[in-house]
Amino acid sequence: ILNVEQSPQSLHVQEGDSTNFTCSFPSSNFYALHWYRWETAKSPEALFVMTLNGDEKKKGRISATLNTKEGYSYLYIKGSQPEDSATYLCASAVRGYALNFGKGTSLLVTP
Amino acid sequence: SAVISQKPSRDICQRGTSLTIQCQVDSQVTMMFWYRQQPGQSLTLIATANQGSEATYESGFVIDKFPISRPNLTFSTLTVSNMSPEDSSIYLCSVEEQEKGYYGYTFGSGTRLTVV
Repeated sequence: ILNVEQSPQSLHVQEGDSTNFTCSFPSSNFYALHWYRWETAKSPEALFVMTLNGDEKKKGRISATLNTKEGYSYLYIKGSQPEDSATYLCASAVRGYALNFGKGTSLLVTP
Repeated sequence: SAVISQKPSRDICQRGTSLTIQCQVDSQVTMMFWYRQQPGQSLTLIATANQGSEATYESGFVIDKFPISRPNLTFSTLTVSNMSPEDSSIYLCSVEEQEKGYYGYTFGSGTRLTVV
């Protein structure tokens, strides 16, 4: 199994800062790239499912881009708020139904 | 999207014992998945469970250690058998839903297991 890598492992920013994380994934046999937001003791919450090279998606202050040829995706948070504190997971769907997860980026936003 | 109720949310168990984790879905789903996240590691797929057939296990996971039941289209259980401290993890169930031509996945809230 080829690995999905996320960086940084953790991030601590001040309220109002903008931030971004990176997800790299195997570009061969690519099917879809998923981003999730996971707070402790809660279910991982789906943010984006991206399938097309060059895709850009936005949900409020959060946006994501996808480059399937080079195998990376960026997640951006504009004007971070304390409620954005969570672990952000990306996962590559290679076979079309099984997700291959990275270790996540743990974000802490302090007032 | 589907809503999943996962129980228990957490447990502390003695080594050598077994724990059964349940997931109840509010709609009928074909495929259910069981994942585990060991400390500092990625969410790793344990097995895929389809109703009416035996679960398909990923490399490194075996039925004797992680027996799975899928009696109907809304329910599944995962048992962690003969536990050791290395089984201390977060266990998650997930279902696949098809939306707009691609597959999305909904997760339970997880079971945080500590084996002592």
